[in-house]
Amino acid sequence: GAVVSQHPSWVICKSGTSVKIECRSLDFQATTMFWYRQFPKQSLMLMATSNEGSKATYEQGVEKDKFLINHASLTLSTLTVTSAHPEDSSFYICSALTSAPSYNEQFFGPGTRLTVL
Amino acid sequence: AQSVSQHNHHVILSEAASLELGCNYSYGGTVNLFWYVQYPGQHLQLLLKYFSGDPLVKGIKGFEAEFIKSKFSFNLRKPSVQWSDTAEYFCAVKGGGTDKLIFGTGTRLQVFP
Repeated sequence: GAVVSQHPSWVICKSGTSVKIECRSLDFQATTMFWYRQFPKQSLMLMATSNEGSKATYEQGVEKDKFLINHASLTLSTLTVTSAHPEDSSFYICSALTSAPSYNEQFFGPGTRLTVL
Repeated sequence: AQSVSQHNHHVILSEAASLELGCNYSYGGTVNLFWYVQYPGQHLQLLLKYFSGDPLVKGIKGFEAEFIKSKFSFNLRKPSVQWSDTAEYFCAVKGGGTDKLIFGTGTRLQVFP
């Protein structure tokens, strides 16, 4: 099946710094990628939809200036948490949308655990 | 707006017991429905999906789900669970012509030998 990777798998940073998380589709091209946030023992909350070559579409309540998304190529999307604060600590998961033959299916990355001190 | 509810937050079963996890969604139009599983320390994996056709969908690892349109439900079932089924299970819905997945809150399943 299609493989999606994320880097780093975990990161610890100081409050006020910025952190970049990469999401790559390893064996397929993804024109659309999604970024989710998962709090402990809770569900995945969609943050934004990332489309290659265009601006990301953010969900209501998600600060676009804080969570910068760049989808520069068909295999790479990045999420940058700017001026991170402890409340940004969470598990961030990306997914990539495949095209045929498994059209309309999202494949998920393993997630990145961010801890802001 | 679409929403998904999973009524069982935590289910504890013995091996060989039967499993049914509830999932209800709210959306009046055509929907695609999914069940994902997240094993401890691993990423989300697709168990099964429903787009159209036979409302009884069979997935991997012996799981199946039934789409009942009149009840807006898509319950997950397995006749005999194994210890290795211990995981978090998420129901998700996609509709309205978008590619966005809306997830339920998840059900934690623990299976004891």
